[in-house]
Amino acid sequence: EVQLVESGGGLVQPGGSLRLSCAASGFTFSNYWLDWVRQAPGKGLEWVANIKQDGVEEYYVDSVKGRFTISRDNAKNSLYLQMNNLRAEDTGVYYCARSSAEYSSSSEFSDYWGQGTLVTVSS
Amino acid sequence: QPVLTQSSSASASLGSSVKLTCTLSSEHSSYIIAWHQQQPGRAPRYLMNLEGSGDYNKRSGVPDRFSGSSSGADRYLTISNLQSEDEADYYCETWDSNTHVFGTGTKVTVL
Repeated sequence: EVQLVESGGGLVQPGGSLRLSCAASGFTFSNYWLDWVRQAPGKGLEWVANIKQDGVEEYYVDSVKGRFTISRDNAKNSLYLQMNNLRAEDTGVYYCARSSAEYSSSSEFSDYWGQGTLVTVSS
Repeated sequence: QPVLTQSSSASASLGSSVKLTCTLSSEHSSYIIAWHQQQPGRAPRYLMNLEGSGDYNKRSGVPDRFSGSSSGADRYLTISNLQSEDEADYYCETWDSNTHVFGTGTKVTVL
């Protein structure tokens, strides 16, 4: 069974940093692109970033470029999101998601989602 | 970058049908999309992917009541024999050059 479990959320002041983690199991982690998707309170889904199987390629939504860094450790079956210079508008639930196509050279739709971790940016 | 347009809400009676629309920007009208369901207080769940031809592939375990279809830039999700557990937000997703975009979501209310 595919499982994605996020952790690391919490309350942080504006300008602060936080590192989210996603522990994966039930599939061959190193064969898939992985994504972070967030959801502000009462709002819709927003794609944040993704990373290729080998970690060589990373892509970001414009609003987080230069502040967030996605990374992965295939030996630990883990995905990360380092968030720096956090803003109030970064508040929300952050989901880890798996891209559907195994071995694909390009990212595709998300077919499995974690339960999410809440990030609150407030003074 | 593709843009996905969804109506904000839809409602239908228990046991009836509802058809949700996700419209792609015109220059991306051939793109594949995915439909996701988010029940209240829960994480999103992938339902199916849907091609411009109307062909779709559902996730294992998704009831037969859920089906997909397409017409031009429009991608549809039809829920037949609506059940109370279908009350949820429904999002479409597409991607281009390894970046993704979601529609704004449609809230389905079961009357």
